[in-house]
Amino acid sequence: QVTLKESGPVLVKPTETLTLTCTVSGFSLSNARMGVSWIRQPPGKALEWLAHIFSNDEKSYSTSLKSRLTISKDTSKSQVVLTMTNMDPVDTATYYCARIYDAPATYFDYWGQGTLVTVSS
Amino acid sequence: QLVLTQSPSASASLGASVKLTCTLSSGHSSYAIAWHQQQPEKGPRYLMKLNSDGSHSKGDGIPDRFSGSSSGAERYLTISSLQSEDEADYYCQTWGTGRVVFGGGTKLTVL
Repeated sequence: QVTLKESGPVLVKPTETLTLTCTVSGFSLSNARMGVSWIRQPPGKALEWLAHIFSNDEKSYSTSLKSRLTISKDTSKSQVVLTMTNMDPVDTATYYCARIYDAPATYFDYWGQGTLVTVSS
Repeated sequence: QLVLTQSPSASASLGASVKLTCTLSSGHSSYAIAWHQQQPEKGPRYLMKLNSDGSHSKGDGIPDRFSGSSSGAERYLTISSLQSEDEADYYCQTWGTGRVVFGGGTKLTVL
């Protein structure tokens, strides 16, 4: 059974750095053609892709957020970590991680439940 | 520029069928997409990958009531025998080298 679970702070202050962890089970991050992506959704708004990492360690970032994002993985821990620097209230959103099954075709066949992050002083 | 366009809202009656549309931007009509469903207060759920020739592969446990088709730059999601739990937001999503794009979503109301 494939599962993904996001974890991290529920509240961060403006200018702080957000670190989110996606812990996966039911598949290995080292499997060929696998990957994990981070996607966010501000309250009442649409989904927005942030970044992804493939099993071969290839990484891609949203053009508009590239300077603030870093994605990495720890295959032994089955975890993918996303850091976002210089947080702002507009970054308040539910953050999801999702599995990429057929890289480089980047579509998501399993999603985590999401974690709501609020940016406020 | 790779863009996906969806109508903001759609509605159909219980037991009826509805066809949602996702339009690829000019020059991208050969792209495959994926459809995702987001029920109220829940995370997204993968429905299917839909190719430009209309072939599609559905996610685990997705009922036969959900089907996909394609015509030119249009990608469709048809839901037949509508049920109350089909009331949700539906997002299409596509990708290119090093990038992923979501449509703005269609809110489906089941009357």
